Amino acid sequence: QVQLQESGPGLVKPSETLSLTCNVSGGSLSSSSYYWSWIRQPPGKGLEYIGRIDYTGNTNYNPPLMSRVSIALDTSKNQFSLRLSSVTPADTAVYYCARVFKGPDYWGQGTLVTVSS
Amino acid sequence: DIQMTQSPSSLSASVGDRVTITCRASQGIRNDLAWYQQKPGKAPRRLIYVASNLQGGVPSRFSGSGSATEFTLTISSLQPEDFATYYCLQHNTYPWTFGQGTQVEIK
Repeated sequence: QVQLQESGPGLVKPSETLSLTCNVSGGSLSSSSYYWSWIRQPPGKGLEYIGRIDYTGNTNYNPPLMSRVSIALDTSKNQFSLRLSSVTPADTAVYYCARVFKGPDYWGQGTLVTVSS
Repeated sequence: DIQMTQSPSSLSASVGDRVTITCRASQGIRNDLAWYQQKPGKAPRRLIYVASNLQGGVPSRFSGSGSATEFTLTISSLQPEDFATYYCLQHNTYPWTFGQGTQVEIK
């Protein structure tokens, strides 16, 4: 059974960089069968695709975030990460990591990141 | 971007009711559509993938249908544990986009 767990600071100051890590157990990031994705959900609102990465490190990002976002793999630790720079209060959200097989199938529990001074 | 228009945005129903939720895509997405259930404070749970395939462990009262631009999630007999918010997601074209959600409430 694949399990994903997000970790990182719960509070980030405006203009700084949000950094999160997703630890994956029960599955390998080196598998060519899956993508690995980040999705977020502002409080009380719907879900938004941030981006995804494949086992070669090839990425795709949502265009409104493209200039500020990067997703990376660390296969030695079986983790992947999210960096979002120049954050504003509009980036306050629960951030989810997910495995993707015909759409996101397994999700982490999510972590709330608040952007505030 | 492909717009996913989900309807209704909310509904009230009773235990045992048949419930139908619709997602319309602004352009054809073949059958690259999934349905998710989300309860407060929890991550989304996939119910249906590739439009009509039931995710393992999901009760058979859930079913999905459709292709191209119109898709439906049906709950054949609503149970107390089904009161939640439901989302569709298209993963045919980047950026992947979600419907705005349907909140299913107790009547």
